[in-house]
Amino acid sequence: DVKVTQSSRYLVKRTGEKVFLECVQDMDHENMFWYRQDPGLGLRLIYFSYDVKMKEKGDIPEGYSVSREKKERFSLILESASTNQTSMYLCASSVSQPQHFGDGTRLSIL
Amino acid sequence: GQNIDQPTEMTATEGAIVQINCTYQTSGFNGLFWYQQHAGEAPTFLSYNVLDGLEEKGRFSSFLSRSKGYSYLLLKELQMKDSASYLCAVRDRAYSGAGSYQLTFGKGTKLSVIP
Repeated sequence: DVKVTQSSRYLVKRTGEKVFLECVQDMDHENMFWYRQDPGLGLRLIYFSYDVKMKEKGDIPEGYSVSREKKERFSLILESASTNQTSMYLCASSVSQPQHFGDGTRLSIL
Repeated sequence: GQNIDQPTEMTATEGAIVQINCTYQTSGFNGLFWYQQHAGEAPTFLSYNVLDGLEEKGRFSSFLSRSKGYSYLLLKELQMKDSASYLCAVRDRAYSGAGSYQLTFGKGTKLSVIP
């Protein structure tokens, strides 16, 4: 079974902090994705990566950056957290399809 | 732009059949996925359609009509554990990586199964 592991289930940070969300997959997948999920808005793609050191903007990249230094790890970075970034963050990985999701990180920015 | 519509909520009775519809208008199309997501959990893959017709997998079936931009997920013999959100997603835009595509998700349909 594919295992996608996100480092924290719950995280509370303060406005202006730099926040790192980590995601690791154990199936040697090329593609990794970061989404946020909000009530009434569904899953929205923030960034994705199809290879080490490669990244592409998704639909809502503003306020975020990513890092993919190793194939198994994809990090989402909030450079200066703001309250509107309070959300559920989901990481996914795939070879082609389907995408396999981690359990999510519920991030609260105070 | 990308537009995927599905009902926000549905309620059905245990043992019954329910059909969750999804309509889409996307700039490209390379398959449609259905995911199930229980509250507080990760989405899990249910089905994939790329050609027109019905794909059956146990109690769950999924149908696609590409000309109509329409799909449905059919759940038979409903069980209480089927209470969850069901997400429709279209594989549309290709990006630079070979064989790689993005998924665009609908907002999800929250299904409540009642006794």
